[in-house]
Amino acid sequence: DGGITQSPKYLFRKEGQNVTLSCEQNLNHDAMYWYRQDPGQGLRLIYYSQIVNDFQKGDIAEGYSVSREKKESFPLTVTSAQKNPTAFYLCAIKGELNTEAFFGQGTRLTVV
Amino acid sequence: GENVEQHPSTLSVQEGDSAVIKCTYSDSASNYFPWYKQELGKRPQLIIDIRSNVGEKKDQRIAVTLNKTAKHFSLHITETQPEDSAVYFCAASTGDDKIIFGKGTRLHILP
Repeated sequence: DGGITQSPKYLFRKEGQNVTLSCEQNLNHDAMYWYRQDPGQGLRLIYYSQIVNDFQKGDIAEGYSVSREKKESFPLTVTSAQKNPTAFYLCAIKGELNTEAFFGQGTRLTVV
Repeated sequence: GENVEQHPSTLSVQEGDSAVIKCTYSDSASNYFPWYKQELGKRPQLIIDIRSNVGEKKDQRIAVTLNKTAKHFSLHITETQPEDSAVYFCAASTGDDKIIFGKGTRLHILP
């Protein structure tokens, strides 16, 4: 996966349940990002972290939470407060030049 | 906050013709503008980028232009081929933190 791994690839959740999406990187990069992708909506930033133990809200943070306890890990929790969680979730790190985003394979979350 | 507008949302061109996708950005501090291609079911991948100190950049059939005064930048694909069919995203960044994406353009290459 080129240094960034998301799991699982597909995830099903019942309404009212919290679920955590995993994002791991082995490239020793500081900055990590979570985006949500919906058809026709592009990529919308949920949260980002520039350093361990610190993170900032993006444009659509409501109903989500994150942690950054380790440099290599940036898990995203989709809480029951997120009213429309079905989407494709993409984790990213800054690329080699520390400017472009390099994406993981994504997790497709479906609420059933 | 930073906003990136992208047009058109859908574009169909005959194979061999050129395709142009346009984006505008709101934050004058933006200094880095990448373009991504996303094939069906896959992750977006960087195809070309441009920095604010450059007006144009080319890579084979792909070129990007930047007009800092007008705050807009464009992707040009020449001699289009069937494998160019995908969704393309523009983005803008100040280089330090957020990377903001446009809503994407679905490009169809017609036989």
